[in-house]
Amino acid sequence: DTAVSQTPKYLVTQMGNDKSIKCEQNLGHDTMYWYKQDSKKFLKIMFSYNNKELIINETVPNRFSPKSPDKAHLNLHINSLELGDSAVYFCASRPSSPSSRSYEQYFGPGTRLTVT
Amino acid sequence: EDKVVQSPLSLVVHEGDTVTLNCSYEVTNFRSLLWYKQEKKAPTFLFMLTSSGIEKKSGRLSSILDKKELFSILNITATQTGDSAVYLCAVPAMFYNQGGKLIFGQGTELSVKP
Repeated sequence: DTAVSQTPKYLVTQMGNDKSIKCEQNLGHDTMYWYKQDSKKFLKIMFSYNNKELIINETVPNRFSPKSPDKAHLNLHINSLELGDSAVYFCASRPSSPSSRSYEQYFGPGTRLTVT
Repeated sequence: EDKVVQSPLSLVVHEGDTVTLNCSYEVTNFRSLLWYKQEKKAPTFLFMLTSSGIEKKSGRLSSILDKKELFSILNITATQTGDSAVYLCAVPAMFYNQGGKLIFGQGTELSVKP
């Protein structure tokens, strides 16, 4: 009964490869996010989708392409991986309704990507 | 530009000590401030604060917001080794075209020694 799940948990790959990370939430939320956490633990927004529509793209290189096949899924595809892409990537979701809890985001367990 | 700054960046204490973690913010159209605890994996929600001066409590943890001075503190009393984690402060940017993204501080890494 995991709320926000991500696969894989760990990903080790070589420079230049293309890889994907998948995210699913079973909370019925309309909005989903991808965050990147660097080695200094700083969490930074990358993308946000609301009901399958892209609403935030925080100047992320276009090697990163999010895809949302439906509002419960948000996948992240990365082309031509570089050393600097090594980080932990977190998926998150939140409800869009203007309720008192709609600011709270629920995070997945993270995917640790290591590019060698 | 919206920003959130936490201090200290790291803290080492012994069990039983009381700690205070700080978070200051500059954000347009402030709505709320959130505290998260991150152990080895996903950040988990602790508190959301929207009003000044009202303390939120959960066991040994408590937090308060000062909207005039633009900061919040998170207190942990009688610390235990299980409190060791990174504590993250975040503020939502709530303009429509920003989709409710959370702007995070750098985090405070707390280490509680036995």
